[in-house]
Amino acid sequence: EDKVVQSPLSLVVHEGDTVTLNCSYEVTNFRSLLWYKQEKKAPTFLFMLTSSGIEKKSGRLSSILDKKELSSILNITATQTGDSAIYLCAYAGNNRKLIWGLGTSLAVNP
Amino acid sequence: NAGVTQTPKFRILKIGQSMTLQCAQDMNHNYMYWYRQDPGMGLKLIYYSVGAGITDKGEVPNGYNVSRSTTEDFPLRLELAAPSQTSVYFCASSRVAGGQVGTGELFFGEGSRLTVL
Repeated sequence: EDKVVQSPLSLVVHEGDTVTLNCSYEVTNFRSLLWYKQEKKAPTFLFMLTSSGIEKKSGRLSSILDKKELSSILNITATQTGDSAIYLCAYAGNNRKLIWGLGTSLAVNP
Repeated sequence: NAGVTQTPKFRILKIGQSMTLQCAQDMNHNYMYWYRQDPGMGLKLIYYSVGAGITDKGEVPNGYNVSRSTTEDFPLRLELAAPSQTSVYFCASSRVAGGQVGTGELFFGEGSRLTVL
């Protein structure tokens, strides 16, 4: 059965710290891996990583896909309190459904 | 720029009551989804649709029904509400299949918090 595991489940850091969130997948027929940020309400899209696009960056956030290790990391540098959120990753295979991890809850303290 | 709109945002139901969660998107997306999110449990797919008139079950469809008569609307019906259906419900849409390279990201509504007592 396809599975996505995120670690750690929760994390508390101070402003200015750098954090690394992990997402590993045990899946068949990999197509893409997506990262989302969820604050109080709806998840918002961050990145999609694919075989042809294994590294993405936007401001202080960056993500890398390691297809050999079947994992992805999301890095946030110089964290701010506004980065406090749940970070979700999801795997997409050949069917039409995404498989979601449980998320990493990040708290950034001032 | 409405995107995905869900109503109501909050609702309290008594056991055995029925209700419909409404979802509408104005992006002309073919794919629409209903998820539920329980604390610490991630997103679970209830039902999804690949276009008007076509729906299919997700991981946790029991106790729910959907219809897709137009591209824009994808209501979720709860029949005979049970306490186990207390959750936050998210509707989402995507232009192509979720995760498909290019434009396969999902756009989410702001959620509907349902409590069944």
